[in-house]
Amino acid sequence: DVKVTQSSRYLVKRTGEKVFLECVQDMDHENMFWYRQDPGLGLRLIYFSYDVKMKEKGDIPEGYSVSREKKERFSLILESASTNQTSMYLCASSLGGQGVTEAFFGQGTRLTVV
Amino acid sequence: GQQLNQSPQSMFIQEGEDVSMNCTSSSIFNTWLWYKQDPGEGPVLLIALYKAGELTSNGRLTAQFGITRKDSFLNISASIPSDVGIYFCAGQGTGTASKLTFGTGTRLQVTL
Repeated sequence: DVKVTQSSRYLVKRTGEKVFLECVQDMDHENMFWYRQDPGLGLRLIYFSYDVKMKEKGDIPEGYSVSREKKERFSLILESASTNQTSMYLCASSLGGQGVTEAFFGQGTRLTVV
Repeated sequence: GQQLNQSPQSMFIQEGEDVSMNCTSSSIFNTWLWYKQDPGEGPVLLIALYKAGELTSNGRLTAQFGITRKDSFLNISASIPSDVGIYFCAGQGTGTASKLTFGTGTRLQVTL
């Protein structure tokens, strides 16, 4: 079974702090994604990566950056956390390649910025 | 980004009832996926659809890839309490590599 593991289930951070959310997958997947989930808005893509050291902006990248130094690990960075970044953050991975799009999700990190 | 309209937003049903929900897109999709999210957990894949007109079942769940490639439907028959959760559709459009666009979700509540 694919396992996508996010380092924290719950985080509370102060405004202005630099925040790191870590995600690891164990199935040698090419693609990794970071989404945020807010009530009524569904899942919105922040960034994704289709290879080591490669990244592309999603629909809402402002205020975020990412790092993918190893294939299995994809980190989301909030450079200076703000209260409007309070949300559920979901990491996902997929195999990659033509026609293979099923994404597998981690359990989520609920971040509160105070 | 692409827009996916998912309806209804929420449903309150009695145990044993059938459920229907759908997603529509402003553009053509190559793949439709349906996910379920239990409270406090990440979404879990239920059904994947790859061809227009395809009808696929997974136990009590049945999903269809619309013939126009712009919509998809999920039906749940004889609902049970553990069906409670949020159901998301997701689609992969043309020329978007492996990116998925998600619907806004349908929150399902089942009463005994």
